[in-house]
Amino acid sequence: EAGVAQSPRYKIIEKRQSVAFWCNPISGHATLYWYQQILGQGPKLLIQFQNNGVVDDSQLPKDRFSAERLKGVDSTLKIQPAKLEDSAVYLCASSLRPDTGELFFGEGSRLTVL
Amino acid sequence: KNEVEQSPQNLTAQEGEFITINCSYSVGISALHWLQQHPGGGIVSLFMLSSGKKKHGRLIATINIQEKHSSLHITASHPRDSAVYICAVRSLVGSARQLTFGSGTQLTVLP
Repeated sequence: EAGVAQSPRYKIIEKRQSVAFWCNPISGHATLYWYQQILGQGPKLLIQFQNNGVVDDSQLPKDRFSAERLKGVDSTLKIQPAKLEDSAVYLCASSLRPDTGELFFGEGSRLTVL
Repeated sequence: KNEVEQSPQNLTAQEGEFITINCSYSVGISALHWLQQHPGGGIVSLFMLSSGKKKHGRLIATINIQEKHSSLHITASHPRDSAVYICAVRSLVGSARQLTFGSGTQLTVLP
């Protein structure tokens, strides 16, 4: 069974530039999560999708971050314009069920903003 | 105060030692996850438990719901166990019942 795929693995940009991350969850997983993990901290939920609908985006900085999952499968997370404090690993995870399912994580996309 | 507290933050052990990592939480939960994160960022789910004890190979996870405490034990530790171990809880409250993560325990096992 293929795991959660993410790209790119690494990205370096200058502040005020834009960046997009892509995630393809495990086939059949209706729930998809984007997490931000700053160095030395645990992951923080940015947004949760159930199929192509948003369940929770309360911690997503909507002035600069956006995410979509148009067909209920793969998803993109965009940051525009990036700030220095956005430097982090962006983790995508998926699960079969939203509340009780085991989470499967991708390898993450490490963003460095200079 | 964080909802999920892990201890210790850093742990160095010699190969073969028995290791314990602790997790305390302050809210009612439906499940607790133990996760392993290797350098490079990828996270692997080790255990998901809501009561009692689970064992997988050299790893054992226990949870005491009344005391709001869980432990992850590694027997006969090996350098390949070196990683960050993260505890996460799924709260009983809130419509989305999101996972709240601890900040992790960095484990280094020396040969």
